[in-house]
Amino acid sequence: SQQGEEDPQALSIQEGENATMNCSYKTSINNLQWYRQNSGRGLVHLILIRSNEREKHSGRLRVTLDTSKKSSSLLITASRAADTASYFCATDYAGNNRKLIWGLGTSLAVNP
Amino acid sequence: GAGVSQSPSNKVTEKGKDVELRCDPISGHTALYWYRQSLGQGLEFLIYFQGNSAPDKSGLPSDRFSAERTGGSVSTLTIQRTQQEDSAVYLCASSSTGAQEPQHFGDGTRLSIL
Repeated sequence: SQQGEEDPQALSIQEGENATMNCSYKTSINNLQWYRQNSGRGLVHLILIRSNEREKHSGRLRVTLDTSKKSSSLLITASRAADTASYFCATDYAGNNRKLIWGLGTSLAVNP
Repeated sequence: GAGVSQSPSNKVTEKGKDVELRCDPISGHTALYWYRQSLGQGLEFLIYFQGNSAPDKSGLPSDRFSAERTGGSVSTLTIQRTQQEDSAVYLCASSSTGAQEPQHFGDGTRLSIL
């Protein structure tokens, strides 16, 4: 069964605005990863946050992790049209370091 | 360096035929994954190879699906007697060790069963 669930399922914003996507999961994790997928392409890794971390930054991306709420958020600041893509979270749940459990993704549209 | 390479990029075949999909992982990566993605959906785990260990086949949807990884490098996913519901994008990913490291994806094979 799917562990990660993203919300919203779809998000449409204007260029320059911030975009926030959330991911919830069900069991304890070792780490949580965010990926981006452009239409017709494979997934690209964005950020990995470990269970003992609360926040990570990479350029215009900010990821937070709240293990007490079993949730994570991905914030994209000053969005650009090129950020238009689907964003997925994936969890490596504690006790199984062999494969990731994937959410269904958030489809982000950034309008110029 | 080269990323994960998948071939063919597109495959159209008739129902009942067998298909083989190929994945060339990043050199030195011990973990290799196959996923299936239906239109507008998330990733469905199919199979996982880690080094010389027995593969985790728990995600294969039926016995028509099989995969092998030769010499710890190239992998092929075989679907026998294809059905229309097999139509999807098949993605391959590799990582240096396993789930605690980022996965690197190929662009997938878009499989269409007529």
